[in-house]
Amino acid sequence: EAGVAQSPRYKIIEKRQSVAFWCNPISGHATLYWYQQILGQGPKLLIQFQNNGVVDDSQLPKDRFSAERLKGVDSTLKIQPAKLEDSAVYLCATHGQGHRYGTGELFFGEGSRLTVL
Amino acid sequence: GNSVTQMEGPVTLSEEAFLTINCTYTATGYPSLFWYVQYPGEGLQLLLKATKADDKGSNKGFEATYRKETTSFHLEKGSVQVSDSAVYFCALRSYGNKLVFGAGTILRVKS
Repeated sequence: EAGVAQSPRYKIIEKRQSVAFWCNPISGHATLYWYQQILGQGPKLLIQFQNNGVVDDSQLPKDRFSAERLKGVDSTLKIQPAKLEDSAVYLCATHGQGHRYGTGELFFGEGSRLTVL
Repeated sequence: GNSVTQMEGPVTLSEEAFLTINCTYTATGYPSLFWYVQYPGEGLQLLLKATKADDKGSNKGFEATYRKETTSFHLEKGSVQVSDSAVYFCALRSYGNKLVFGAGTILRVKS
């Protein structure tokens, strides 16, 4: 099966500019997560979707970050305006229902690396 | 809250050496535990998992045993290869099926 697709792979912007990342999950996977991975740290959850509804966005800096998952398939993560400390890799992960649901196994995309100058 | 602590890297080993990467966790109850691996230029992928105390997860020659007495899930491999060079992340499954990750440990294997 095709994996989780993310784009762009790399993005360089100046502070106060805006940026958007896109994620296409594995077909049929209802749960989608966005993680932020700062250099030298483990991934940290930003937001979790179940279909097109938000399950948990408690760690999302809502003054500058937004995310949506229209139609419960693709998702976009936006940052506006960007700050220097937003430089990180943004990872999209998904898992589906059925026998694997609840095992905690997530399938990750390759990530989108953001550099804010 | 839930958290995971991993040994700091980088860990540099010669080919065929024995590998141990330490991982301890803090959590309410008995969460499922995971090791994920990130090879250069690739996304995170599941290496192995254990869902209850004393379970041993294994894959590709790697093993880890869920020890509730010491709240640990150390990763081991008897003989590493150059192709094992990667970043290894220990993680636990928190409420709502969310993963909490450690900081990651870089492994470099020299031929």
